[in-house]
Amino acid sequence: DSGVTQTPKHLITATGQRVTLRCSPRSGDLSVYWYQQSLDQGLQFLIQYYNGEERAKGNILERFSAQQFPDLHSELNLSSLELGDSALYFCASSFGQARGPNYGYTFGSGTRLTVV
Amino acid sequence: KNEVEQSPQNLTAQEGEFITINCSYSVGISALHWLQQHPGGGIVSLFMLSSGKKKHGRLIATINIQEKHSSLHITASHPRDSAVYICAVRRRGSQGNLIFGKGTKLSVKP
Repeated sequence: DSGVTQTPKHLITATGQRVTLRCSPRSGDLSVYWYQQSLDQGLQFLIQYYNGEERAKGNILERFSAQQFPDLHSELNLSSLELGDSALYFCASSFGQARGPNYGYTFGSGTRLTVV
Repeated sequence: KNEVEQSPQNLTAQEGEFITINCSYSVGISALHWLQQHPGGGIVSLFMLSSGKKKHGRLIATINIQEKHSSLHITASHPRDSAVYICAVRRRGSQGNLIFGKGTKLSVKP
């Protein structure tokens, strides 16, 4: 157990639907990062939160949104789902905003989303 | 061109062989990570480097900042080392998000 908890582990849903993926960071970590891993694109950064505030955005579609709550857990909301959204979604956490070189980085086990 | 390039893409080795996976990057970085992903999907962070060399068990990671190159070595490889190894960099000045290579799929045969 890495200390980063992602739920659910697997999700199968139909096109057009909306799902919510949840991430609880390692105890004490303030930053949460969301990544998408698809077969054709590999791992790509979606969005980062630090202590409840959005800090960086990557290749996140407008149909996707996220937030980090006061207890530091984060949710990634995916709406109007398309077949191409099928992927592994990973959450990672770190203590700080990672400006220094020596912080740790811990990944969750991922949520496998299948859109049918 | 990808900002992080790994080679080889696929690697098959016999148990006991010495293995090297290479990573080159084209951006200024504050850190480089080596990650391991087993079938089934979970990602484990093996090393984080900003300079020099680190060793953990049979794994060694090196980085040359001037040449923008890193290597991951596995000594005395074992079938349980079979996994995808991913190089990822944190761009200097970024908020901490990683840019990933495409990964190297390693298969170690008994």
